[in-house]
Amino acid sequence: EVQLVESGGGLVQPGGSLRLSCAASGFNFSSFWMNWVRQAPGGGLEWVANIKKDGSEKYYVDSVKGRFTISRDNAKNSLYLQMNSLRAEDTALYYCAKEGIMVARVNRHYYHYYGMDAWGQGTTVTVSS
Amino acid sequence: DIQMTQSPSSLSAFVGDRVTITCRASQSINTYLNWYQQKPGKAPKLLIYAASSLQSGVPSRFSGSGSGTDFTLTISSLQPEDFATYYCQQSYNTPYTFGQGTKLEIK
Repeated sequence: EVQLVESGGGLVQPGGSLRLSCAASGFNFSSFWMNWVRQAPGGGLEWVANIKKDGSEKYYVDSVKGRFTISRDNAKNSLYLQMNSLRAEDTALYYCAKEGIMVARVNRHYYHYYGMDAWGQGTTVTVSS
Repeated sequence: DIQMTQSPSSLSAFVGDRVTITCRASQSINTYLNWYQQKPGKAPKLLIYAASSLQSGVPSRFSGSGSGTDFTLTISSLQPEDFATYYCQQSYNTPYTFGQGTKLEIK
């Protein structure tokens, strides 16, 4: 069974730092892209960042570029999010999500598609003075 | 960035009803469109990928359609467990973006 367990959230003052962790089990962690997605209180889902299987490519939403760093340790089956210069608007429930690879047939051709097919339960980050 | 716009934002329906939620992308995303269901206090769950392919284990009353910029999620006969919030998400390019969500409530 695929399991993703986030940790590291908490209350931090504006300008502070936190490091989130996500422990993965039940699948070959090193074979999949991984994502962080957040959800502000009462709000919708916002994709934050993702990282390639070997860590060689990383992508971020503009609002966190230069402040957040995604990383992974495949030997430990773990995903991380280092969050610096935190702002009140970073307050959210942060989810770790596995990016599944699915194949679908479209007009007689087969293509690879990507979707977040497993999620943790999230860890809460609150930025407040 | 690609903007995803869902409508309606909320919807009330009876058990047994057929409901449709729409999602529009600000540019063509081919069929790189996913749908998720989220229940209160729970993580999202992938329902549909590639605009119309049902994720394993998802009931067949859920279906998706569309390509390019316009997509729909249809639930053919609402069950009590389907009352939740639904999000579309484009996986065409990063930054991945979600629609604002459609909250489906019991009438």
